[in-house]
Amino acid sequence: GQSLEQPSEVTAVEGAIVQINCTYQTSGFYGLSWYQQHDGGAPTFLSYNALDGLEETGRFSSFLSRSDSYGYLLLQELQMKDSASYFCAVANRDDKIIFGKGTRLHILP
Amino acid sequence: KAGVTQTPRYLIKTRGQQVTLSCSPISGHRSVSWYQQTPGQGLQFLFEYFSETQRNKGNFPGRFSGRQFSNSRSEMNVSTLELGDSALYLCASSLRGSETQYFGPGTRLLVL
Repeated sequence: GQSLEQPSEVTAVEGAIVQINCTYQTSGFYGLSWYQQHDGGAPTFLSYNALDGLEETGRFSSFLSRSDSYGYLLLQELQMKDSASYFCAVANRDDKIIFGKGTRLHILP
Repeated sequence: KAGVTQTPRYLIKTRGQQVTLSCSPISGHRSVSWYQQTPGQGLQFLFEYFSETQRNKGNFPGRFSGRQFSNSRSEMNVSTLELGDSALYLCASSLRGSETQYFGPGTRLLVL
């Protein structure tokens, strides 16, 4: 079957660094995306990795290892506004986007 | 560019009724996907339309259907509503389908 696994919850302290992992099993693979969703809001796109390695966008970085079917989202200098749910998603060979169940990030002051 | 819009934003229905939700994609986007979001289940893919054709379908019963018009606007319909259909229904548009998804604000459906 096709599935994505990510932790359901992660807690970190303001100003710290946190890593949210995602492992996937899909039929074909065209890239790993990350989305952020605040309570009551819609998911918004954060990053996309099609090739192995690290992509950096400001305080957020995303990493992909295709051989390990694994990726992570790294958030640095955490701010209270980063409290949200984070979803990883993959596009498979049927052009279907599959989302993980999301990781709820709690940030402590 | 205007973002993805969805109407209505909130809806209350009773069991057995049917409902139609509407989604207007970003101008120029030809792919519209629909998702159901419930607590603990994440985003469940319903279906995707591209150029007025259903290109992909998730694992939902036939009570869930959709269509896309020539201007790329899309509607989804749920017939014979059940309590378990209470959820946030999100639509997302993209240029071709498998790249970055741009989400609308969603329609929150409550079935009583």
